[in-house]
Amino acid sequence: NAGVTQTPKFQVLKTGQSMTLQCAQDMNHEYMSWYRQDPGMGLRLIHYSVGAGITDQGEVPNGYNVSRSTTEDFPLRLLSAAPSQTSVYFCASRRTSGGASNEQFFGPGTRLTVL
Amino acid sequence: KNEVEQSPQNLTAQEGEFITINCSYSVGISALHWLQQHPGGGIVSLFMLSSGKKKHGRLIATINIQEKHSSLHITASHPRDSAVYICAVCLNYGGSQGNLIFGKGTKLSVKP
Repeated sequence: NAGVTQTPKFQVLKTGQSMTLQCAQDMNHEYMSWYRQDPGMGLRLIHYSVGAGITDQGEVPNGYNVSRSTTEDFPLRLLSAAPSQTSVYFCASRRTSGGASNEQFFGPGTRLTVL
Repeated sequence: KNEVEQSPQNLTAQEGEFITINCSYSVGISALHWLQQHPGGGIVSLFMLSSGKKKHGRLIATINIQEKHSSLHITASHPRDSAVYICAVCLNYGGSQGNLIFGKGTKLSVKP
C-alpha cells in the first residue's frame, strides 16, 4: 500500500491564482481530512469528509473548497490564493468503523508559498 | 486558552537521559494520540490511547482520563529521537466528534 499520497510537495503561487492540492489514499478509509500547519501553532483542521459525497468544515475553512467524489481522493482547492494561505498542508485518513479512535495516517505534506 | 497544552515547548537532552513530555487537555475526548514529526516534515503516529498505558520499545505513553493529562516518556534517549512530538485529542461530542485538536508540539533535541 502507498498509504496517503499528496501532490505536489512544493508549490509557489502568486496572489489571486488558484490551484488544487491532491490527496489520495489506498486503504479504503472512510474519514479523510486536510490540516494546515503554521509556525508556533498546532495543526488546524480545514475540511473533512466521512465518506464519498459527504464533506464538512473544520476550524479554518475560509478560502478553501473540497469535494469527495470517490473514497480514495480528497482534493483541496484554493480558489484565489492569499499570502495568509502560505503554510504546510497535510492530508490524513483513518477508518471510522470501530469508533472514532482509529490510527490516523498522514500524507508527506505540501509546502505552499503565496507571494 | 488552548484546548490542548503541551510542555515543555523545547527540550534539550543528553544521550541516554530519560525524557518526559506532558499533554493536558480541557475537552471531552474519545482518545489521545501521540505523533512524531521529523525535520523532513512527515508525521507518524506513535500511540493512540483511551486509557492506561502503552509501550513500544523505548517509548511509553500514559493517560489519566480523570485528570485530563497524558505523558510521553522516552527511556535511554538517542540522537535519532530528535523530532517534534505532538499530542492530539480526538473529540467525542457533537458535530466535531472524531475530529482532532492538536497541541503545538514539543521540539526535542538529543545531543550525543
